[in-house]
Amino acid sequence: AQTVTQSQPEMSVQEAETVTLSCTYDTSESNYYLFWYKQPPSRQMILVIRQEAYKQQNATENRFSVNFQKAAKSFSLKISDSQLGDTAMYFCAFMKFRSGGGADGLTFGKGTHLIIQP
Amino acid sequence: DTGVSQNPRHKITKRGQNVTFRCDPISEHNRLYWYRQTLGQGPEFLTYFQNEAQLEKSRLLSDRFSAERPKGSFSTLEIQRTEQGDSAMYLCASSRGQGSNSPLHFGNGTRLTVT
Repeated sequence: AQTVTQSQPEMSVQEAETVTLSCTYDTSESNYYLFWYKQPPSRQMILVIRQEAYKQQNATENRFSVNFQKAAKSFSLKISDSQLGDTAMYFCAFMKFRSGGGADGLTFGKGTHLIIQP
Repeated sequence: DTGVSQNPRHKITKRGQNVTFRCDPISEHNRLYWYRQTLGQGPEFLTYFQNEAQLEKSRLLSDRFSAERPKGSFSTLEIQRTEQGDSAMYLCASSRGQGSNSPLHFGNGTRLTVT
């Protein structure tokens, strides 16, 4: 079974600062996907960024980037130039890959509540 | 793309009653997932459909829970003889494609309160 650990229950930074959210995971799988989801107060989960484990290059989506360290099983999210609208719960999630198609459920961490202060 | 729709948004029920939730996925998505989220926790996987076939069920899904997706479109999640421990947000998500790299799109959830 997979586990995902987010060790920071809450973080608070000033607008325009850069913030890094940490995530570690444990798995015996060699092929998998990692995700960061954002859940604003409206409660709808939104995909922020995705990383395929077989790719060495870190994924980037505009102000959001990851630091994926496969050997250390670490997957941190960096938010640059943070904005008030970034205030939300952020969940790290793991999905194992199945050859030939098919899927498995996402395993989520407990989340980090990120607060962007004006 | 109207997004994943879930109804009702809120449900309050008395212990022992049955409840049913509905999820309408994004129309071209063949995969549908149910998750449960309690306060202060991340979502926990409950079950997964590919088209009308229920392919995965979590151990969290006790025999009081049943999910269906009869025509491969909308899905229902029924909880029989509800217990206070069933109080949670129930999230539905959908995705498309045959591979595991299709991102999940989540609905707003149904918040269940069992009194």
